[in-house]
Amino acid sequence: DTEVTQTPKHLVMGMTNKKSLKCEQHMGHRAMYWYKQKAKKPPELMFVYSYEKLSINESVPSRFSPECPNSSLLNLHLHALQPEDSALYLCASSQEGILRGGRVSGYTFGSGTRLTVV
Amino acid sequence: AQSVTQPDIHITVSEGASLELRCNYSYGATPYLFWYVQSPGQGLQLLLKYFSGDTLVQGIKGFEAEFKRSQSSFNLRKPSVHWSDAAEYFCAVGSTLGGAQKLVFGQGTRLTINP
Repeated sequence: DTEVTQTPKHLVMGMTNKKSLKCEQHMGHRAMYWYKQKAKKPPELMFVYSYEKLSINESVPSRFSPECPNSSLLNLHLHALQPEDSALYLCASSQEGILRGGRVSGYTFGSGTRLTVV
Repeated sequence: AQSVTQPDIHITVSEGASLELRCNYSYGATPYLFWYVQSPGQGLQLLLKYFSGDTLVQGIKGFEAEFKRSQSSFNLRKPSVHWSDAAEYFCAVGSTLGGAQKLVFGQGTRLTINP
């Protein structure tokens, strides 16, 4: 299995709703990532998990709450979002940089969840 | 801090013509460089990557890229484009960060193919 699977593919939510995005990989990757991508822009890093521990939070508002229940799963819990949070949310995974002899192998991305906040 | 510049926001080429997408990077050490492609509404697919060694890197879908340290460039090329190559292309520079990797992306180049 060489894929990162994200669900749902599309999500429409109101500003008072609570929803979750899910991401799963079975490649044995120990680092997982959440990126946000607005239209016609590059992906922007939100969170990094390494060995199921949160290692980077790029000053993301608390209405976004990540969770890594195990090495294969990554969730992003959403609550009280704003319309400007509408975007494509991408999950990615990678092999460990340092344990691969310091080599950065790049990410495998999921297809993303298209989120619309109304 | 590392950064990536893609000077061309939008490029249009005719089907069958050759293609070169430009990428310049800024990084203090040996860079890890990547090209990704993104079709509309989709995730990013890795085309190729450079870590060290041969400066001409072959990737998927007939793409190649050449690393030129003296010019801080990593340009993507294809000898003959197909209509299916129309997409957004992102150049990225990577670094290790604890047990994880951090990729910094350029702004992207949108490729349009004329029939």
